Amino acid sequence: GEDVEQSLFLSVREGDSSVINCTYTDSSSTYLYWYKQEPGAGLQLLTYIFSNMDMKQDQRLTVLLNKKDKHLSLRIADTQTGDSAIYFCAENTGGFKTIFGAGTRLFVKA
Amino acid sequence: ETGVTQTPRHLVMGMTNKKSLKCEQHLGHNAMYWYKQSAKKPLELMFVYNFKEQTENNSVPSRFSPECPNSSHLFLHLHTLQPEDSALYLCASSQEGTPRDQPQHFGDGTRLSIL
Repeated sequence: GEDVEQSLFLSVREGDSSVINCTYTDSSSTYLYWYKQEPGAGLQLLTYIFSNMDMKQDQRLTVLLNKKDKHLSLRIADTQTGDSAIYFCAENTGGFKTIFGAGTRLFVKA
Repeated sequence: ETGVTQTPRHLVMGMTNKKSLKCEQHLGHNAMYWYKQSAKKPLELMFVYNFKEQTENNSVPSRFSPECPNSSHLFLHLHTLQPEDSALYLCASSQEGTPRDQPQHFGDGTRLSIL
């Protein structure tokens, strides 16, 4: 069946890089997304990548896609305390169906 | 106003009350969604509407009744809820069609507590 898996927690020091990993199961996924959720707020779309791409860079964010292993990662360079949040990986399996992971809670220590 | 707006932000109700959650999107999208977000569980899709027509009901109990009068507004009518229905209810919208698979944009949610 369709499933998206992420580790639940990640802790980094301010200024370090954070890498959040995700695996998915549906090889027909066309788009893969990263969302950020801060306390008391909804999910904010951070970035997304087409399945025919290997990498996408957007300022401090780098997304890497390994389609063979169905592995997606989000790297945040120079992590700041404001980056503390829950990060959700999601895949669009066609039409209206988007499958979300359980979210990775990122703690940034000053 | 831009984006997806949800009201109220917080709601406390008894099990016998009737209340409604409202969602409005200002993005010109044609699809709208209700999700339930509970602690320690993945995001659960409840309903999908496309051009005001319901396209998905993910086995949601009938005590949740959605309404989509137009592509910009979505309601979730609540009646005789249970304590396990306490959660954050998120609304989202997206532009479906060509190109396919556009990302969903979310509101900030309604935090619902059932007494």
